[in-house]
Amino acid sequence: QQQVKQSPQSLIVQKGGISIINCAYENTAFDYFPWYQQFPGKGPALLIAIRPDVSEKKEGRFTISFNKSAKQFSLHIMDSQPGDSATYFCAPKGAGGGNKLTFGTGTQLKVEL
Amino acid sequence: DAGITQSPRHKVTETGTPVTLRCHQTENHRYMYWYRQDPGHGLRLIHYSYGVKDTDKGEVSDGYSVSRSKTEDFLLTLESATSSQTSVYFCAISSDSVGQPQHFGDGTRLSIL
Repeated sequence: QQQVKQSPQSLIVQKGGISIINCAYENTAFDYFPWYQQFPGKGPALLIAIRPDVSEKKEGRFTISFNKSAKQFSLHIMDSQPGDSATYFCAPKGAGGGNKLTFGTGTQLKVEL
Repeated sequence: DAGITQSPRHKVTETGTPVTLRCHQTENHRYMYWYRQDPGHGLRLIHYSYGVKDTDKGEVSDGYSVSRSKTEDFLLTLESATSSQTSVYFCAISSDSVGQPQHFGDGTRLSIL
């Protein structure tokens, strides 16, 4: 049972362009919606997160848009840079104990010059 | 960076041998987690701990056991390694505050021949 569907699997964007990654979920008990960024040879690191009581959150060039009724949230990277080239994961958290995350399958982003 | 150390960072072993991976934290966080990362699957939770000697299974726990005798250490054991357990293993920690993010170590690359 795939609770979290992430798309696209890979993405190539020109420098300065907008990167958009989407995440659809089934479990309405999720109560925290983070995006993680992972570079080769490293563990994932929290990039930005949103709670379900807001529809958008912006931190610098990174924005999360959240659509509760559609059970979707997306990551937008404005003015994409080569240093943004990494793998991105959505990983919503359930409301139960343990702060457990359910990871999407990841999106490999490459930003070209 | 969160104080998480995984050891070893790389290991090659043979089918049928026991393997123990160690995660050590210096943050005094309550929750600790073990994940495996495989292409096309994102990160999948193996086991997690919510306190000393308190552990629970994740979605891919078969063939793995864990122990936590001290707050700072969380051990993952493969009792009899199989080739299907070849993967990159990540440890993560989280405080017990609601909605706090998980912080990840840099992983252990395990190859079982």
